[in-house]
Amino acid sequence: DVKVTQSSRYLVKRTGEKVFLECVQDMDHENMFWYRQDPGLGLRLIYFSYDVKMKEKGDIPEGYSVSREKKERFSLILESASTNQTSMYLCATMLGTSEPLRGTGELFFGEGSRLTVL
Amino acid sequence: DAKTTQPPSMDCAEGRAANLPCNHSTISGNEYVYWYRQIHSQGPQYIIHGLKNNETNEMASLIITEDRKSSTLILPHATLRDTAVYYCIVGVTTLGRLYFGRGTQLTVWP
Repeated sequence: DVKVTQSSRYLVKRTGEKVFLECVQDMDHENMFWYRQDPGLGLRLIYFSYDVKMKEKGDIPEGYSVSREKKERFSLILESASTNQTSMYLCATMLGTSEPLRGTGELFFGEGSRLTVL
Repeated sequence: DAKTTQPPSMDCAEGRAANLPCNHSTISGNEYVYWYRQIHSQGPQYIIHGLKNNETNEMASLIITEDRKSSTLILPHATLRDTAVYYCIVGVTTLGRLYFGRGTQLTVWP
């Protein structure tokens, strides 16, 4: 079974702090994603990565950055946390395929990291 | 970007079939239909996907209409553990963009 592990289940941070959310997968999937989930808004894509050192903006990248130095690890960084970044953050992976789809469509999610910014 | 329309909630008796509808009238020829579900406090879980033909796996069946403008996810024998939010998504994975809307809250009662 694919295992997607997020480093912290619950975090509480203060406004202005730098926050790192780590995600590690053990199935050698090429694609990794960061979403946030808020009541009434569903899941929104923040950033994704098709390969090591590669990243692409999703729909709401403002205020976030990512790092993928190794294939199995995808980190989400909040440079200066703000209260409107209080949310559930979900990491996901997807097996890569050839063009044009680049992926199977089957996302494997971690259990989520609930971040509260005070 | 709301490409799908689902009822906000449905309920179903345990042991009966749960039929969850989804409208996607603006689907493009190369877009797939995906279904995921999310049990409370967990990450979403993939269920099934299809392009044109009906699909079946150990979890569910997916029926796509001939014009591809709508689909139905069928859980043949719902259990209490199937209580979850079910998301119908249309898209192409090329850009990694699978839009999760608000989904349908399915409640299975004993």
